[in-house]
Amino acid sequence: NAGVTQTPKFQVLKTGQSMTLQCAQDMNHEYMSWYRQDPGMGLRLIHYSVGAGITDQGEVPNGYNVSRSTTEDFPLRLLSAAPSQTSVYFCAARITGSSYEQYFGPGTRLTVT
Amino acid sequence: SQQGEEDPQALSIQEGENATMNCSYKTSINNLQWYRQNSGRGLVHLILIRSNEREKHSGRLRVTLDTSKKSSSLLITASRAADTASYFCATDYQGGSEKLVFGKGTKLTVNP
Repeated sequence: NAGVTQTPKFQVLKTGQSMTLQCAQDMNHEYMSWYRQDPGMGLRLIHYSVGAGITDQGEVPNGYNVSRSTTEDFPLRLLSAAPSQTSVYFCAARITGSSYEQYFGPGTRLTVT
Repeated sequence: SQQGEEDPQALSIQEGENATMNCSYKTSINNLQWYRQNSGRGLVHLILIRSNEREKHSGRLRVTLDTSKKSSSLLITASRAADTASYFCATDYQGGSEKLVFGKGTKLTVNP
């Protein structure tokens, strides 16, 4: 039981490049979310999904797209990377309902030059 | 946006001492959760307290919730060097969506 996995662990992009951060979970949890973590800013919610085919925006959605075609996968797409998107990205999954704990992946450290 | 605010931002103590971290939030909530993050790792859930609870214990952790003051505290008793980490509170919205919003965290250093 791997829990929440994220790939890649590290990535360097040039400004304007696109890429997809992968997130997968094997817990059959309906709710998944993406956060970014910047020094002194804590975790900020980018997008979340309450189930396959349903996504919604969080606090800082601009510059990011998501889709949820299966329960297991929740990829985060950067369409045109900018230096302001340099951050550590965390994916999380939990049972639907805010009274349940979230399980986090190990993170992807992204640098945009 | 609603966000918990932890206080202090950083805390340094000696092994064996107690560590207290506080969290304040802005609007009514259903639940408040505390998470821990070791350096370079993902967050790990510690404890959840519901809005109708005032205190909860788990091992060396004690969490209190005061909904009238919109604040919570996390107490770690008899701290160990292995408790060195960042600690975050996370809140939902009462009557709101599934979103879980995190504060900026308290960085705890426990010196051996």
